[in-house]
Amino acid sequence: EVQLVESGGGLVQPGGSLILSCAASGFTFSDHYMDWVRQAPGKGLEWVGRTRNKAQSYTTEYAPSVKGRFTVSRDESKQSLYLQMNSLKTEDTAVYYCTRRGDDGSGYFPFDYWGQGTLVTVSS
Amino acid sequence: DIQMTQSPSTLSASVGDRVTITCRGSQSVSSWLAWYQQKPGKAPKLLIYKASSLQSGVPSRFSGSGFGTEFTLTIDSLQPDDFATYYCQQYDNFPLTFGGGTKVEI
Repeated sequence: EVQLVESGGGLVQPGGSLILSCAASGFTFSDHYMDWVRQAPGKGLEWVGRTRNKAQSYTTEYAPSVKGRFTVSRDESKQSLYLQMNSLKTEDTAVYYCTRRGDDGSGYFPFDYWGQGTLVTVSS
Repeated sequence: DIQMTQSPSTLSASVGDRVTITCRGSQSVSSWLAWYQQKPGKAPKLLIYKASSLQSGVPSRFSGSGFGTEFTLTIDSLQPDDFATYYCQQYDNFPLTFGGGTKVEI
């Protein structure tokens, strides 16, 4: 059974930093692209960033709103995904979801598994 | 960035109704369009990928259609479990983008 379990959320002051973790199990982690998606309270979904798989050299992509402040990384030995968040702003307050990009061989697929999410609150 | 616009933002319906939600892109995304269902306090669930392909385990009353910039999600014979918020998402170009959501309520 595929499982994604996020941790690391909490209250942080504006300008501060936080690291989110996502523990993956039930699938071959190194085969899949992994993404972070966030949802501000009462709002819609916003894609944050991606790390590709080993075959694609773990290259990354970011949303313009977080580029230069957030870093997506992964540790294959721990089957874990990370989101390093620096220079946090009040508008970064959201539930952050760890997601797995599915694969049907086409090279294009959306998010087929999601974690339960972890809440990050940026406030003084 | 590709803007995805959903309509309506809220939809009132009854059990047994046929419901249609529309998603329009600001430019073509080919068939790289997904639909998700989200219930309060829960993570989204993938329903449809590649505009019209049903994700494994999703009931056949859900269907998707469209290509390019215009897409629809249809729910035939709405069930009590279907009252939720639905999002479209394009995965053709970065940044990946979602529609604003459609809340289906009684």
